[in-house]
Amino acid sequence: NAGVTQTPKFQVLKTGQSMTLQCAQDMNHEYMSWYRQDPGMGLRLIHYSVGAGITDQGEVPNGYNVSRSTTEDFPLRLLSAAPSQTSVYFCASSTGTDSYEQYFGPGTRLTVT
Amino acid sequence: AQKITQTQPGMFVQEKEAVTLDCTYDTSDPSYGLFWYKQPSSGEMIFLIYQGSYDQQNATEGRYSLNFQKARKSANLVISASQLGDSAMYFCAMREGWADSSYKLIFGSGTRLLVRP
Repeated sequence: NAGVTQTPKFQVLKTGQSMTLQCAQDMNHEYMSWYRQDPGMGLRLIHYSVGAGITDQGEVPNGYNVSRSTTEDFPLRLLSAAPSQTSVYFCASSTGTDSYEQYFGPGTRLTVT
Repeated sequence: AQKITQTQPGMFVQEKEAVTLDCTYDTSDPSYGLFWYKQPSSGEMIFLIYQGSYDQQNATEGRYSLNFQKARKSANLVISASQLGDSAMYFCAMREGWADSSYKLIFGSGTRLLVRP
C-alpha cells in the first residue's frame, strides 16, 4: 500500500501559468480532499469529493478546479496561478467510517512568482 | 468566530516531562469529532489521536491522551514522557456531524512544541 501519493513534491510557477497537482490513493477510500497550508497556519479545505463524479467546495475554492473520474485519483487544477496561491498543498483521503480519520499525502510545495 | 482555537503558538518542555497542548472548539452540532495531528519539520501530517463527542472515556494512544472536557468545549492533548522526537507542530482539528460535510476537517493554527534535552 502506497497510501496517498502526491506529485510533484515541489513546483515553481510564474503568475498566470496553469498546472495540475496530482493525488492518488490505493486504499479504496471514497472521500478525498485538498487542503492548503500557508506559513504559520493550519490547513484549510479547498475542495473535497465524497465519491467518483461528486465534488464540492471547501473553505477556499477560488482559483482551483477539481474533478473525480475515478475512486483513486483526485487532481487539483490551478487555472491561472497567482502569488497568493503560494502554499503547501495536501491531499487527504478517508474511509468515512468511525472517526472519519483522514490520511494525508506528503504535500506539494508550490511557489508562484 | 474561530471554530478551533489553539492559544499557545509555542511551548517548551523538558525531555521526559509531560506537556499539555490546549485546544478549544466551538460547534452547535451534538455529533462531532476532534483530532490531533503532528507535523514534524519534514512536513507530513501524522494522525495522533481521535475523540468522538459521544465517547464516554478520554482517548489514549500510547504516550498521547486527550483530555476531553465537553462542557468547557476543550480537547487538550497530553503528551507524557516527552522525547526529543516530539518536537514538532501540533494541530487540533474538528469534524462536525455525520453527513457528507462531516468529512471536512477544520484546523486550528497549531502549537509548536520544542523538547529540550
